[in-house]
Amino acid sequence: DAMVIQNPRYQVTQFGKPVTLSCSQTLNHNVMYWYQQKSSQAPKLLFHYYDKDFNNEADTPDNFQSRRPNTSFCFLDIRSPGLGDAAMYLCATSSGQKNTEAFFGQGTRLTVV
Amino acid sequence: GQSLEQPSEVTAVEGAIVQINCTYQTSGFYGLSWYQQHDGGAPTFLSYNALDGLEETGRFSSFLSRSDSYGYLLLQELQMKDSASYFCAVRDYGQNFVFGPGTRLSVLP
Repeated sequence: DAMVIQNPRYQVTQFGKPVTLSCSQTLNHNVMYWYQQKSSQAPKLLFHYYDKDFNNEADTPDNFQSRRPNTSFCFLDIRSPGLGDAAMYLCATSSGQKNTEAFFGQGTRLTVV
Repeated sequence: GQSLEQPSEVTAVEGAIVQINCTYQTSGFYGLSWYQQHDGGAPTFLSYNALDGLEETGRFSSFLSRSDSYGYLLLQELQMKDSASYFCAVRDYGQNFVFGPGTRLSVLP
């Protein structure tokens, strides 16, 4: 089945140690998003790619970076994780043309120790 | 800027009907979506309204009034499995989906 896959589902990292979360999609969608979701809160958009065009939200900390080497894959890099970065990280995709629906992966729950 | 408002919690009994409202203020607007999220799970798409009016999909319906910057999700014949958080989300001009704060629905037996 076509889908959005995130690995790993659970990630534990040390305070200040760089960590990378990955996302792949088989939907061939133009747009890929990264959202951060903390407990009992709404998903908060960090950035998105429209094809290779990167769009950063104004309030996304510099500590968060992203790479999209090809259509199928997108990575979230957290350069120096702090305790406040512990959250669920959700990858989503949408078709740039129709774009009425975002398809979400199962998320990666990040714990910072 | 973008701002969405939803009630934080709603409680109803099995078999009942519940309406979850959403108001929004956005700098650009293409449409309003609704997503369901169970604890520990990912948001899943329920509906999308680009034009005024009611969209019906099974037990769920969604309404939009663009002139009032208002929409709602209507859930009928509530089931225990409908207990979840429900988010409205605005599709803005920048290809983005901006989510509301979410409404936690509890369905009681």
